[in-house]
Amino acid sequence: DQQVKQNSPSLSVQEGRISILNCDYTNSMFDYFLWYKKYPAEGPTFLISISSIKDKNEDGRFTVFLNKSAKHLSLHIVPSQPGDSAVYFCAATMVSGFQKLVFGTGTRLLVSP
Amino acid sequence: DADVTQTPRNRITKTGKRIMLECSQTKGHDRMYWYRQDPGLGLRLIYYSFDVKDINKGEISDGYSVSRQAQAKFSLSLESAIPNQTALYFCATSEAGGPVETQYFGPGTRLLVL
Repeated sequence: DQQVKQNSPSLSVQEGRISILNCDYTNSMFDYFLWYKKYPAEGPTFLISISSIKDKNEDGRFTVFLNKSAKHLSLHIVPSQPGDSAVYFCAATMVSGFQKLVFGTGTRLLVSP
Repeated sequence: DADVTQTPRNRITKTGKRIMLECSQTKGHDRMYWYRQDPGLGLRLIYYSFDVKDINKGEISDGYSVSRQAQAKFSLSLESAIPNQTALYFCATSEAGGPVETQYFGPGTRLLVL
C-alpha cells in the first residue's frame, strides 16, 4: 500500500522554465511533508518542507504547495537550472510520536540547457 | 569530510553469505536509521535506533539485524543474503528535538546478491 505516490517517474524541462513535481498521499494523519533531492552516487539531501498548517513554503527558487483537501503537494522550481537535474523524493510524516518518513518513489528531473 | 559515511560503497555477494554494511557519522546525532531503496518503491525503513540502547524494527526488518556499537556507528547485517535483498542501502542520522527532524543520509551501499 503506497501511502505516498509520485506518479511521474520522470520530467524533462528546459533551463529557465518552471519545473513542477507532484506528490499525492493517502494517509490523512500525515501533517508534515518534505522534499529530498538525490544526485547519482549520493544520498538524498533535504531540500524543503511544509507543515500541514500552511499551504505554501518558499525557499529561494523552490516553493512547495500543499492542498490538504486533495491530499496533494507539489514542488515548483523557478527558474530551473541544469544543476537541478536529480531524483526528487517526496516524504510524509506525522509530527507526534516517532517521525517515520514515508517516501514516494521519486521523480527524475532532467533540466536541459 | 562527509558527515555520514558508509562502507563498502559497492558489494557483490552470494546467496547464503553473511555480510555487514557499516555506517559512521560525525554529526553527533543520537538517532540513526537504515533504509533500502528499490526501483519503483522509494526508500523503506529497515531498522532505526534512538540511542545505543534503543533499537527498533522498521517496516521491512525480516532477514536483517543491526548493531549500534557506539553513538557514531550503526551496522546492518544480512544473516543469510538472498537475491531479493539486492538493493541500494542508505544510512541516515537525525538529531532529536524540534517539530520534525531532518534526516541526513550517507552516500549509500549498492548490494548485489547473486
